[in-house]
Amino acid sequence: SQTIHQWPATLVQPVGSPLSLECTVEGTSNPNLYWYRQAAGRGLQLLFYSVGIGQISSEVPQNLSASRPQDRQFILSSKKLLLSDSGFYLCAWSNGASPTQYFGPGTRLTVL
Amino acid sequence: AQTVTQSQPEMSVQEAETVTLSCTYDTSESDYYLFWYKQPPSRQMILVIRQEAYKQQNATENRFSVNFQKAAKSFSLKISDSQLGDAAMYFCAYRRGYGGSQGNLIFGKGTKLSVKP
Repeated sequence: SQTIHQWPATLVQPVGSPLSLECTVEGTSNPNLYWYRQAAGRGLQLLFYSVGIGQISSEVPQNLSASRPQDRQFILSSKKLLLSDSGFYLCAWSNGASPTQYFGPGTRLTVL
Repeated sequence: AQTVTQSQPEMSVQEAETVTLSCTYDTSESDYYLFWYKQPPSRQMILVIRQEAYKQQNATENRFSVNFQKAAKSFSLKISDSQLGDAAMYFCAYRRGYGGSQGNLIFGKGTKLSVKP
């Protein structure tokens, strides 16, 4: 069966520091991968998605970036965090044959 | 652009009773998918149920069922025999049916469901 992992689970970072969040999927190949952000009391907003290694599409312009160095690895990064980057970050995957997305456990990011 | 609206920020139900969560959406497309996701205190998003727009039959998953009214653009979730473990945020989501991986999910703002023992 497929599983999706995210780490770290919780992160507290100062403003201006770099960021690296990692997401990996097991049990499937060539998944579509997604990064969402959930601000407090709000729904989910799609940040990036990827259909393959090195292929990244951005939905929202911001100081975040994403990379996909391996087939089942998706990384969310920032060179300098802003206070507004605080939130809950969820990674999701789907396969090409199904419209359903399955989510990881998430990372709670607090920028101070 | 497509939008998803959940008009009930909070709902409450007695254990073993039935509750219905509302969702409406706006789209000009005819081919799409609708989802309900559950987000418990752990905050992991868990798929509850999926509905294909081309299917007239309402989806059902054990105690969870939907009332899909395509003309009215309404997609409500009914939870029967509510259990304490059903307490969570529930999100309605829309995905267009074409475009492969570019059919990304559009979420409502959620409904917080409380279950009273």
